[in-house]
Amino acid sequence: AQSVTQLDSHVSVSEGTPVLLRCNYSSSYSPSLFWYVQHPNKGLQLLLKYTSAATLVKGINGFEAEFKKSETSFHLTKPSAHMSDAAEYFCVVSRKTSYDKVIFGPGTSLSVIP
Amino acid sequence: EAQVTQNPRYLITVTGKKLTVTCSQNMNHEYMSWYRQDPGLGLRQIYYSMNVEVTDKGDVPEGYKVSRKEKRNFPLILESPSPNQTSLYFCASSPLVGTGELFFGEGSRLTVL
Repeated sequence: AQSVTQLDSHVSVSEGTPVLLRCNYSSSYSPSLFWYVQHPNKGLQLLLKYTSAATLVKGINGFEAEFKKSETSFHLTKPSAHMSDAAEYFCVVSRKTSYDKVIFGPGTSLSVIP
Repeated sequence: EAQVTQNPRYLITVTGKKLTVTCSQNMNHEYMSWYRQDPGLGLRQIYYSMNVEVTDKGDVPEGYKVSRKEKRNFPLILESPSPNQTSLYFCASSPLVGTGELFFGEGSRLTVL
């Protein structure tokens, strides 16, 4: 069975400061992990994905995430927040090669204060 | 431009009046899926399709129907909408069946009075 926990339902940062959005997963198998962003009134957009290559994954808009198997974590970071980063972020887990269900985390709402 | 297109984007209807939300993708993806998004409940899968003529129930299929007659289209049908189907609906497609790499449409906000 697989599950995803996003430890914070809401995160607020000041513009120009670092962003950390936390995600922990549980998986009986070797997982693929993803982060999605959803801006208001928009669909979800893939930010980055981990599928078994490098554990540090770079995505769009300056975001990156590190897969830590020992901690079962896949936290999303960005060195300097921009106003346009304000959005909802979803961590997602799936099996690498399977028809198993894709599991979405509950989401973290990021606010950026000017 | 690669995209998933949903229509309508916004719809207000009344209980019992059949409606269809269309979804079309131009990326030749095998896999397509419908989700609904509700406050506090996150994204929940309604139906999915692994290929033409192959569909299966997700977590919340009651009150919905789907069909996959062509690879690019995956309409969501509400035969007799009820107020508890008021929600934001997303269609998604993927080149790889069962993975989390999904391409989402812009969403369809449905209100059932």
